[in-house]
Amino acid sequence: AQSVSQHNHHVILSEAASLELGCNYSYGGTVNLFWYVQYPGQHLQLLLKYFSGDPLVKGIKGFEAEFIKSKFSFNLRKPSVQWSDTAEYFCAVNAASGTYKYIFGTGTRLKVLA
Amino acid sequence: DTGVSQDPRHKITKRGQNVTFRCDPISEHNRLYWYRQTLGQGPEFLTYFQNEAQLEKSRLLSDRFSAERPKGSFSTLEIQRTEQGDSAMYLCASSLGGTAYTTDTQYFGPGTRLTVL
Repeated sequence: AQSVSQHNHHVILSEAASLELGCNYSYGGTVNLFWYVQYPGQHLQLLLKYFSGDPLVKGIKGFEAEFIKSKFSFNLRKPSVQWSDTAEYFCAVNAASGTYKYIFGTGTRLKVLA
Repeated sequence: DTGVSQDPRHKITKRGQNVTFRCDPISEHNRLYWYRQTLGQGPEFLTYFQNEAQLEKSRLLSDRFSAERPKGSFSTLEIQRTEQGDSAMYLCASSLGGTAYTTDTQYFGPGTRLTVL
């Protein structure tokens, strides 16, 4: 069965620190990968997605993620975080065919200290 | 852009009662998803509609749960004979996609928080 693991449940950083949030998935076939973010009091929204091509994808607000197929990973990175990045981040995966089902990880709560 | 809306935002009910939630997707979006999210977890897929057709249901969706999307516009999720374990946030998302399994961007609503006493 498909699954997504986010190993960091809570992360606290100071402003300007670099960020890397881990995401590993379990699925044998071709997948599409996503990072969603939920800012306090707001809806879930898409940060970035990967479905083919360059494994390094860039999203909004300076975020990027790298798909490493051999490691089944899709880690999210940002070189310098800001206080406004305080949010909960969810990694998600869906199979490229055969199902419309999306599997989300348990989320990582990021707190950025000003 | 009105976004995805959900009604009600909060629902408190007693065990055994039936509840119904409504989701209004972004108007031109043909795809609609329902998820359930409990504390400390990510959204769990419940069901998917493409226009009015319910094309996929999770095994999490017991026979007490039913969803509809008449005319391919708004959708309703009904839970019959609610149980305390049904307490959760119910999220709706919509997207614009073709008939293939494409990488659509889902737009989420604010959710309906259900508390079963």
